[in-house]
Amino acid sequence: AQSVSQHNHHVILSEAASLELGCNYSYGGTVNLFWYVQYPGQHLQLLLKYFSGDPLVKGIKGFEAEFIKSKFSFNLRKPSVQWSDTAEYFCAVNARSSASKIIFGSGTRLSIRP
Amino acid sequence: GAVVSQHPSRVICKSGTSVKIECRSLDFQATTMFWYRQFPKQSLMLMATSNEGSKATYEQGVEKDKFLINHASLTLSTLTVTSAHPEDSSFYICSARERTGMSMNTEAFFGQGTRLTVV
Repeated sequence: AQSVSQHNHHVILSEAASLELGCNYSYGGTVNLFWYVQYPGQHLQLLLKYFSGDPLVKGIKGFEAEFIKSKFSFNLRKPSVQWSDTAEYFCAVNARSSASKIIFGSGTRLSIRP
Repeated sequence: GAVVSQHPSRVICKSGTSVKIECRSLDFQATTMFWYRQFPKQSLMLMATSNEGSKATYEQGVEKDKFLINHASLTLSTLTVTSAHPEDSSFYICSARERTGMSMNTEAFFGQGTRLTVV
């Protein structure tokens, strides 16, 4: 069965700092990978996704993520964060051979100091 | 993106009663819907996978008799929490994946969640 690990529980940054949130998955087969964001009081929104092709994926709001198959990683990056990026970020994986269920990591809370 | 509507957004019920939560895909057909539970400051824990026209597949540790799932059409799945107790209080979230033939390359769209409080 697939699983997802997010090692950073809470990250605190100042505005304009660069961001990298770690995500590692465990599954031997082909996967689809996602990053979702949950702003305070709101529902989950998709930031970006990887299905195939270019391992460097660009999403909304200036976020990007790189799929490194050899490391089973899909880290999320943003070169310069804003106060409005304060939210909970979830990495998720879906094993293509499964019944399409999506498994989430434990989440990383990002706090941006203005 | 596609829209998934979840209703109600908040519900308070007495211990021992049952509560039904609806999840609708508004502008697409969802062969598969998922039900998650999210505890405060924690991640989404998958409870079950709901497939249209067949029985739901429950994750280990989830009581199927307590959390009844029905996926009667390609746009509606319901979760009924039966004989609710205070420990069932949580945030329940549904998501749906669009039906695209045999393709597994589809994202999931999420409802806004239902805050259940059992008193």
